[in-house]
Amino acid sequence: NAGVMQNPRHLVRRRGQEARLRCSPMKGHSHVYWYRQLPEEGLKFMVYLQKENIIDESGMPKERFSAEFPKEGPSILRIQQVVRGDSAAYFCASSPRETSTNNEQFFGPGTRLTVL
Amino acid sequence: GENVEQHPSTLSVQEGDSAVIKCTYSDSASNYFPWYKQELGKRPQLIIDIRSNVGEKKDQRIAVTLNKTAKHFSLHITETQPEDSAVYFCAANTGRRALTFGSGTRLQVQP
Repeated sequence: NAGVMQNPRHLVRRRGQEARLRCSPMKGHSHVYWYRQLPEEGLKFMVYLQKENIIDESGMPKERFSAEFPKEGPSILRIQQVVRGDSAAYFCASSPRETSTNNEQFFGPGTRLTVL
Repeated sequence: GENVEQHPSTLSVQEGDSAVIKCTYSDSASNYFPWYKQELGKRPQLIIDIRSNVGEKKDQRIAVTLNKTAKHFSLHITETQPEDSAVYFCAANTGRRALTFGSGTRLQVQP
């Protein structure tokens, strides 16, 4: 009964490279959320996805960032042309459904991105 | 959108004492209020949550209270232990949307 899986756990990129972060939700969960946590700060919402559908991307920077959750496979957060300010921990969370009666979100271990 | 404020940012207590962390929210439509504990370098872990149709919920040494009229909710930890030391985050949402987190409280329990 695996929890939320994320890989890689640590990712080092040079400025200008691309970063791809993967998230596999808990079994039976169809809702995925991505959050970013800067050092010594709280978690900031980025994007909320269901299979093949972006529900809310209001927290996503307009440029360089994109996310997908295909019919098969993990959700992917993609950061193009990374800059030093992208260095952070990126957490994925999943929930079984969106309704207010059962919307606990369970977090993965995070991907710590370091941009040199 | 929702705005969640959390206080204090740091809290130091002696082992065995109680700790209280408070949060306020702005969106009166919010109806779900979880609390997460995050140890250094680890993922946030859900420790307790409360829904808007309930005023108080308790789980062993941890309790959460909710005042919908005043739009604030609090985490209470009794008989604190050194292993309670961590950063605690409150959050709120309306069900359809993602969680809005507070800025966190670093709790240090002194042995």
